[in-house]
Amino acid sequence: DQQVKQNSPSLSVQEGRISILNCDYTNSMFDYFLWYKKYPAEGPTFLISISSIKDKNEDGRFTVFLNKSAKHLSLHIVPSQPGDSAVYFCAASGRGSGNTGKLIFGQGTTLQVKP
Amino acid sequence: DADVTQTPRNRITKTGKRIMLECSQTKGHDRMYWYRQDPGLGLRLIYYSFDVKDINKGEISDGYSVSRQAQAKFSLSLESAIPNQTALYFCATSDLRPNTGELFFGEGSRLTVL
Repeated sequence: DQQVKQNSPSLSVQEGRISILNCDYTNSMFDYFLWYKKYPAEGPTFLISISSIKDKNEDGRFTVFLNKSAKHLSLHIVPSQPGDSAVYFCAASGRGSGNTGKLIFGQGTTLQVKP
Repeated sequence: DADVTQTPRNRITKTGKRIMLECSQTKGHDRMYWYRQDPGLGLRLIYYSFDVKDINKGEISDGYSVSRQAQAKFSLSLESAIPNQTALYFCATSDLRPNTGELFFGEGSRLTVL
């Protein structure tokens, strides 16, 4: 049972345009959501997060939006740059993961930004 | 030097062999984790440990065991490797303080079981 789902395995956008990566979750007990970015031959690195008490969090070119009623979050990258090409993982934690700090990850979306 | 170091980075082995993946960290974190990454499945938790005396099973612990030798060291063992354990394995750490869930990952250990 996949509690965190990224239904788009891949996304291709042109440099300078907006990239939108989507994530859905099924467990309403999750209260913290994170995005990780992974380059080939490296471990995932933390990108941005959002608490369930907010609906938006922004950090430079990266913005995460949370829609709790739809159990949906999205990551917006504006403008997209070729260096953003990577695999992006959505993750969730909170009481839905036993409140132990464990993260439940989605399958990942591979973003390609074309020059 | 990396804050979270995994060895070996790549390993090819045969079915039935015992394999150990090692992880050490210099971040001073109490919590350590082992995940595996498979195409189309993302990252799945194998085992986690909140301190030296604490070991917990994750989503997919069958066929694996772990040892927390010290605060800084957490090793993953495959007692008798099988081909479907071919995957990319990641060790991660996190802070014990009010938990935001942020993990710090090593660079990964690619294991191939023939």
